[in-house]
Amino acid sequence: ETGVTQTPRHLVMGMTNKKSLKCEQHLGHNAMYWYKQSAKKPLELMFVYSLEERVENNSVPSRFSPECPNSSHLFLHLHTLQPEDSALYLCASSQDSDRDNQPQHFGDGTRLSIL
Amino acid sequence: QKEVEQNSGPLSVPEGAIASLNCTYSDRGSQSFFWYRQYSGKSPELIMFIYSNGDKEDGRFTAQLNKASQYVSLLIRDSQPSDSATYLCAVNRGPDQGGKLIFGQGTELSVKP
Repeated sequence: ETGVTQTPRHLVMGMTNKKSLKCEQHLGHNAMYWYKQSAKKPLELMFVYSLEERVENNSVPSRFSPECPNSSHLFLHLHTLQPEDSALYLCASSQDSDRDNQPQHFGDGTRLSIL
Repeated sequence: QKEVEQNSGPLSVPEGAIASLNCTYSDRGSQSFFWYRQYSGKSPELIMFIYSNGDKEDGRFTAQLNKASQYVSLLIRDSQPSDSATYLCAVNRGPDQGGKLIFGQGTELSVKP
């Protein structure tokens, strides 16, 4: 149990569908992150939120839309995805986002497959 | 040049041996360094972090940092089959980068009984 819970664990969707990924952290952290992990590639940072405010958008296509209603919850809304978007999507949290020496704690991820 | 480089492996060591995992980084201003372990189908799990040059030990794990050479390593003593996983090196490039971590592609470690 990492303190970061992601749902669903697996998701299969067509390119025209709309779905959402959910992340919840129980660690009292102020910062939350979305990462994409593709096979044989490094983790790619997508978005950073600090106290519900987006502080980083790492050139992510607009078909990915994040939402952070409070410091414990983070969503990733998906629409009109492409086959190359199939990957493991990981959520992480840390105490703060503006300090460089704080480790991030990861959820187990959502395995997304685009048909 | 990749910002954070690791040999993808697989690195195979016999049970009881020392496993040595290496990572180099390109940004000389990098300040904080993290090692994560990721089992297949699971989330990355923090093993160690190091900020200062030298060695940092925690149980069977030792992290080594050499900022002059832009090199960080993880040693696993008395390797066990349960250590078989992918090990991710992550680097934070400094206070102005906030919480942004740059990850290497990971080294797959296999410990043979």
